[in-house]
Amino acid sequence: QVQLVQSGAVVVMPGSSVKVSCKASGGSFNNNVINWVRQAPGQGLEWMGGILPVHGVIKYSQNFPGRVTISSDESTNTVYMEMTNLSPGDTAVYYCARDVRLYSFCYGFDLWGQGSLVTVSS
Amino acid sequence: EVVLTQSPGTLSLSPGERATLSCRASQSISSDYLAWYQQKPGQAPRLLIYGTSTRASGIPDRFSGSGSRTDFTLTISRLEPEDVGVFYCQQCSSSQVTFGQGTKVEIK
Repeated sequence: QVQLVQSGAVVVMPGSSVKVSCKASGGSFNNNVINWVRQAPGQGLEWMGGILPVHGVIKYSQNFPGRVTISSDESTNTVYMEMTNLSPGDTAVYYCARDVRLYSFCYGFDLWGQGSLVTVSS
Repeated sequence: EVVLTQSPGTLSLSPGERATLSCRASQSISSDYLAWYQQKPGQAPRLLIYGTSTRASGIPDRFSGSGSRTDFTLTISRLEPEDVGVFYCQQCSSSQVTFGQGTKVEIK
């Protein structure tokens, strides 16, 4: 049974960058898209982008122009999300999540990581 | 960007009652790409419905989804105590994914 295991909580300074990882434990990503979704404290869900590792296809939300980079390492079954120029408003739990349908960015996310809390504070 | 507006903001019902949650899109969307989630405090969201009406694996049949174009509905036929939480709809259009702001379901 595949699980998505994310990196731990971090505290970073305003203006810096953060890189969060998401590893498929007990299997691989196969032909599923892995998405990134964030949730600020007490707020709703916000999609950031996704990657289809087997083909290297990446789609980004228009809400983070030039600030988010999503990548993957198939040899370790790990997907990464890097975000630059952080501000306190980026404080949130960052989730990775797998699309329920193969090769799809759009059907729905059926498997989620445990979340990684990123706190941006001086 | 397609904006999803959910109503009501909060729904307070007794066990066994029927819950009807609405999700309205700012423009017509494909019914293939409309999903619903439940989220409990401190937990990741759980996929309930995708493709407007297909239940995800392990989801009880008291959850059902319907709708088309701009108006979509999640129905919980008989509310159970464990059905509390915040429910989100999600859509995908032009390779952009957006979520509604959520409906909170409480048990009286």
